[in-house]
Amino acid sequence: AQSVAQPEDQVNVAEGNPLTVKCTYSVSGNPYLFWYVQYPNRGLQFLLKYITGDNLVKGSYGFEAEFNKSQTSFHLKKPSALVSDSALYFCAPPRKGSSNTGKLIFGQGTTLQVKP
Amino acid sequence: GAVVSQHPSWVICKSGTSVKIECRSLDFQATTMFWYRQFPKQSLMLMATSNEGSKATYEQGVEKDKFLINHASLTLSTLTVTSAHPEDSSFYICSASLREGPRETQYFGPGTRLLVL
Repeated sequence: AQSVAQPEDQVNVAEGNPLTVKCTYSVSGNPYLFWYVQYPNRGLQFLLKYITGDNLVKGSYGFEAEFNKSQTSFHLKKPSALVSDSALYFCAPPRKGSSNTGKLIFGQGTTLQVKP
Repeated sequence: GAVVSQHPSWVICKSGTSVKIECRSLDFQATTMFWYRQFPKQSLMLMATSNEGSKATYEQGVEKDKFLINHASLTLSTLTVTSAHPEDSSFYICSASLREGPRETQYFGPGTRLLVL
């Protein structure tokens, strides 16, 4: 079965430091993986996606993610965190059998707290 | 590009009334839209897939007569919560699929907070 795991409920970093939000997945076939961010009381915003090609994917707001097939991971990273990056982050692979990537699997998400 | 709007952004209603929430893709056409609900500090729960020109597909455990979905055009899907009760109070989020390259990407609306008194 398709699944996703974000092992950390919360990540705390100081502003200016690099940040990593972890994601591991279990999908059959070629994985298509997405990262979304949710600010308080808002919908989700698309950050980036891995479809195929380069393992390092660059996205919005200076975020990037590295697809690692051997470790089945797709960790989200940013070289220098901002206080405004504080939000809830979701890693989402498509649901197995979905004819398009519309049906995604969402885990519990990881809350990122960036302190000044 | 790829902007999705929802209206209203929040609504308070009395128990027993019906509430309609609109989801619009503003700058693209979406044959498929999705409706989610989210409880505080929890993840998104997919409620249904809204297909333009056909009936919605509901996830297991979601009452289709309770949550009516109409996908009237390629840019509009509506969710009507019928005979709302306090337990229907939640944050409802829609998304619309946009094909970009070989696969589609979901773009989400800003959400609608429903409070049923």
